[in-house]
Amino acid sequence: AQKITQTQPGMFVQEKEAVTLDCTYDTSDPSYGLFWYKQPSSGEMIFLIYQGSYDQQNATEGRYSLNFQKARKSANLVISASQLGDSAMYFCAMREGLLGQGGSEKLVFGKGMKLTVNP
Amino acid sequence: DSGVTQTPKHLITATGQRVTLRCSPRSGDLSVYWYQQSLDQGLQFLIQYYNGEERAKGNILERFSAQQFPDLHSELNLSSLELGDSALYFCASSVAGTSGETQYFGPGTRLLVL
Repeated sequence: AQKITQTQPGMFVQEKEAVTLDCTYDTSDPSYGLFWYKQPSSGEMIFLIYQGSYDQQNATEGRYSLNFQKARKSANLVISASQLGDSAMYFCAMREGLLGQGGSEKLVFGKGMKLTVNP
Repeated sequence: DSGVTQTPKHLITATGQRVTLRCSPRSGDLSVYWYQQSLDQGLQFLIQYYNGEERAKGNILERFSAQQFPDLHSELNLSSLELGDSALYFCASSVAGTSGETQYFGPGTRLLVL
């Protein structure tokens, strides 16, 4: 089974509108971390936001917030007030387990989804 | 700018050849990770080094090897190259590999094997 599922291959949004990018994950480990990265056409991977499985509140970083629904195993990224520069590929990733207790430090990535922001 | 540097940015070579990709982590980061991004496999973890020692191995081919030097920079060596090795190779770094730690990625090396 896929660890990280991003089912939306592509999305279009109007500038200044909010958009939600979906991510579901699969793990039996109670300790894990979820990450979102942005990859513009230039190719670099840019860290956006992190959510730990034990975090009580949803993570926020500026215009980015993470809608974390643990029971549903979803970690959707919400971008408020989209900008043209938000057009890029977006990847959801997970790290499982507690480090030092058999957990892994590697990130497992979803296939990504392409966001296009229209003026 | 993540603070992670990778050289070269682009590399074009022929099948059967050997190449070395170089990565310098962010200042103070002890962990270095290598990932491969290809169209068919997506982003895959290859290998991790922590303070000079191999810490974790992923889907890394036997033709590939890596090392981390005392100054903490890392090199990924790819040998007997095949067409399918064409990909974007990322290096990422983090401070010490504690839970919840973010990996910061370099700009990548785009390898084309002809």
